Amino acid sequence: EAGVAQSPRYKIIEKRQSVAFWCNPISGHATLYWYQQILGQGPKLLIQFQNNGVVDDSQLPKDRFSAERLKGVDSTLKIQPAKLEDSAVYLCASSLEAGETGELFFGEGSRLTVL
Amino acid sequence: QKEVEQDPGPLSVPEGAIVSLNCTYSNSAFQYFMWYRQYSRKGPELLMYTYSSGNKEDGRFTAQVDKSSKYISLFIRDSQPSDSATYLCAMRGSNFGNEKLTFGTGTRLTIIP
Repeated sequence: EAGVAQSPRYKIIEKRQSVAFWCNPISGHATLYWYQQILGQGPKLLIQFQNNGVVDDSQLPKDRFSAERLKGVDSTLKIQPAKLEDSAVYLCASSLEAGETGELFFGEGSRLTVL
Repeated sequence: QKEVEQDPGPLSVPEGAIVSLNCTYSNSAFQYFMWYRQYSRKGPELLMYTYSSGNKEDGRFTAQVDKSSKYISLFIRDSQPSDSATYLCAMRGSNFGNEKLTFGTGTRLTIIP
């Protein structure tokens, strides 16, 4: 079974530039998550989708971050304009179902460096 | 105060030793407790999953939850160099609006051959 696919794996940009990350979840997984993991910290949820609807985006900095999940499959996370503090690994995860038994499967992450 | 506190380490132990990793939390609504393992430049992967208080054993790994003390532990017996990774505790509630998974900062573990 193919895992969660993410691209690009690495991206270096200058502040105020824009960047987009792509995620393809495990086939059949209805729930998709984007997490931000800053060096030395645990992952922090940015946004959770159930199919193509947003369940939780309370910690998404909406003035600069946006995410979409068209057709309930692939998802993109965009940052515009980027700030130095956005340097982090952006992890995409998916689960068969949300709720207490929904194990999260993570991709390898997209590492962003903002200069 | 953070909802989940975890000693970041780093922790280095010799091969074969017993490793103890711990987290404390403040949200009494947390009911589901997990340990994720994250190898360098990889995504986290689920290692252990426990509901409410008690112990759970899986091979060399034992997870313990003490809800009265708001304290969870992961024990690794007969540690191996392949266990070298960052271990993240994570937890969530079961009530609507409290289902978000909250992670600790992770403990970086190195097993020395």
